[in-house]
Amino acid sequence: GAGVSQSPRYKVAKRGQDVALRCDPISGHVSLFWYQQALGQGPEFLTYFQNEAQLDKSGLPSDRFFAERPEGSVSTLKIQRTQQEDSAVYLCASSLGGGNSPLHFGNGTRLTVT
Amino acid sequence: GENVEQHPSTLSVQEGDSAVIKCTYSDSASNYFPWYKQELGKRPQLIIDIRSNVGEKKDQRIAVTLNKTAKHFSLHITETQPEDSAVYFCAASRRAAGNKLTFGGGTRVLVKP
Repeated sequence: GAGVSQSPRYKVAKRGQDVALRCDPISGHVSLFWYQQALGQGPEFLTYFQNEAQLDKSGLPSDRFFAERPEGSVSTLKIQRTQQEDSAVYLCASSLGGGNSPLHFGNGTRLTVT
Repeated sequence: GENVEQHPSTLSVQEGDSAVIKCTYSDSASNYFPWYKQELGKRPQLIIDIRSNVGEKKDQRIAVTLNKTAKHFSLHITETQPEDSAVYFCAASRRAAGNKLTFGGGTRVLVKP
């Protein structure tokens, strides 16, 4: 079956612009995670959904970052008034949920803020 | 919160030799420890995982060991091949935290033919 799909694959934004990144999880996966991966570093947790409920947003760096999953499937990560330090790869992952279900990652969106 | 340290940051081995990567974690409540392989520009892919009720797990050339008392776990790759060259990440999570993974900083492995 299809894996986790993210779009766009690459996004270039001018500083101050708003961006929206999309994630299509594996069908039937209850849990959805967003991670930020800076160049040469490990993924850093941003936020987590169980179905449509956002259960943990402790990793969001500022109130410019907002995530939603209104119908418990597709999720959007929105960054308002982008800054250069927002440049990174944004990874989405999904899992069946319950117990320690393995996370399956998408290919990510590489955001470059100029 | 959880903190995961990973060593070494880079590792160069000759084809056929073994590679070992070590991680330590801080949260004694963590109970799930996956390892991911990430090739340049690609998604992290799960290669093996271990739960806290198991001390060792093996899958072909890959094995993982866990020492709960010392709070460290290791990845062992035997008979390395050039296609094993990638960045490897360890991670830890606990069920009560929604299986939120905390990652180590990564190890860049280069297998020289």
